[in-house]
Amino acid sequence: AQKVTQAQTEISVVEKEDVTLDCVYETRDTTYYLFWYKQPPSGELVFLIRRNSFDEQNEISGRYSWNFQKSTSSFNFTITASQVVDSAVYFCALGRAQKLVFGQGTRLTINP
Amino acid sequence: DAGITQSPRYKITETGRQVTLMCHQTWSHSYMFWYRQDLGHGLRLIYYSAAADITDKGEVPDGYVVSRSKTENFPLTLESATRSQTSVYFCASRPTVPNTEAFFGQGTRLTVV
Repeated sequence: AQKVTQAQTEISVVEKEDVTLDCVYETRDTTYYLFWYKQPPSGELVFLIRRNSFDEQNEISGRYSWNFQKSTSSFNFTITASQVVDSAVYFCALGRAQKLVFGQGTRLTINP
Repeated sequence: DAGITQSPRYKITETGRQVTLMCHQTWSHSYMFWYRQDLGHGLRLIYYSAAADITDKGEVPDGYVVSRSKTENFPLTLESATRSQTSVYFCASRPTVPNTEAFFGQGTRLTVV
């Protein structure tokens, strides 16, 4: 069975702080895909990044970076110099073939 | 309009009534999904479809029925709505290629009273 755990239910930081959102997954598949989605207060789900199980390179996109470690089954997401606009619920997801399994989400609040 | 659209956006219904949530995508994606979002549970898969006339159960299918007679439409029906089905429902679609993200509709907020 596939499972995604986001142990941090809520995080609150002050603007400009760095923040890391944790994601731990379980799967028996050797080929799988990991995703992060953002859900701003408006409610839609916005795709941020995907990573396949064969690509353990970390990725940086502006203030966002992702650390994929297969050895610990983790796919953590870091926001550097956080901004108020980063306030949202963030979901980590694990997928293979048809199904996409989501974690419970982390509600991130950036305070001015 | 291109994309994936859900209707209605908001719905209030009474316990025991049948209600159908609509989902339409214009990309001709093979895969379509229905999720429900509840506090503390994230998004849970209700049903998914790999192609027209092919559907399968997800994690929480009880009380729901789906059909997919056309590639672009994937309606979700609550046969006899219960209060526990009060939730936000998201439809999504994805191409056949595995390493692609799913695209989500705007969501339908359903309240069962």
